[in-house]
Amino acid sequence: GAVVSQHPSRVICKSGTSVKIECRSLDFQATTMFWYRQFPKQSLMLMATSNEGSKATYEQGVEKDKFLINHASLTLSTLTVTSAHPEDSSFYICSAPGPGGTDTQYFGPGTRLTVL
Amino acid sequence: AQSVTQPDIHITVSEGASLELRCNYSYGATPYLFWYVQSPGQGLQLLLKYFSGDTLVQGIKGFEAEFKRSQSSFNLRKPSVHWSDAAEYFCAVGAGSEGGGNKLTFGTGTQLKVEL
Repeated sequence: GAVVSQHPSRVICKSGTSVKIECRSLDFQATTMFWYRQFPKQSLMLMATSNEGSKATYEQGVEKDKFLINHASLTLSTLTVTSAHPEDSSFYICSAPGPGGTDTQYFGPGTRLTVL
Repeated sequence: AQSVTQPDIHITVSEGASLELRCNYSYGATPYLFWYVQSPGQGLQLLLKYFSGDTLVQGIKGFEAEFKRSQSSFNLRKPSVHWSDAAEYFCAVGAGSEGGGNKLTFGTGTQLKVEL
């Protein structure tokens, strides 16, 4: 099956620094990837759609200047949390449509970000 | 806008007992419906999905779900629960114009605990 990886699995950073999270489709290409955010005991909330070769599309209420998304290749999307603050601490999850169509998303294992 | 409601935040069942997790959705057209399971440290795994056709769908690990349009429901069932089924379960609806599996909206999840 289609595999999506994320790196790092967890990161701790100081307030004010920037953190980059990578999302890779390991055995298939993905022109589109999605970034979600999950707070403890809560659901996944779609943050943005990452598009290879064009700008990301952000959901309402998501600061595009704070959450920079770059879809560098057909297998890699990165999410950079800029000037991170403690309220940015969360579980960030990416997904990509599986090969052959967009009917099903395959999810990465997530990245736990803790901002001190 | 689409929405998903999972009324039960926590459910505890005994091993070997049957299970039903509730999911209600709101969407104007025919929805793409999914059930995912999330275990600690692992990414969301697709259990099953419904797009069209037979309203009773079979998934992995012995799970099934039934789409009931009149009730706007897509409840997940399993006849006999195993201790390894303990996890968080998410119902999701997809309605992206680019494909039904895009732009997923998730419910708040149901935490399943299995008593031995």
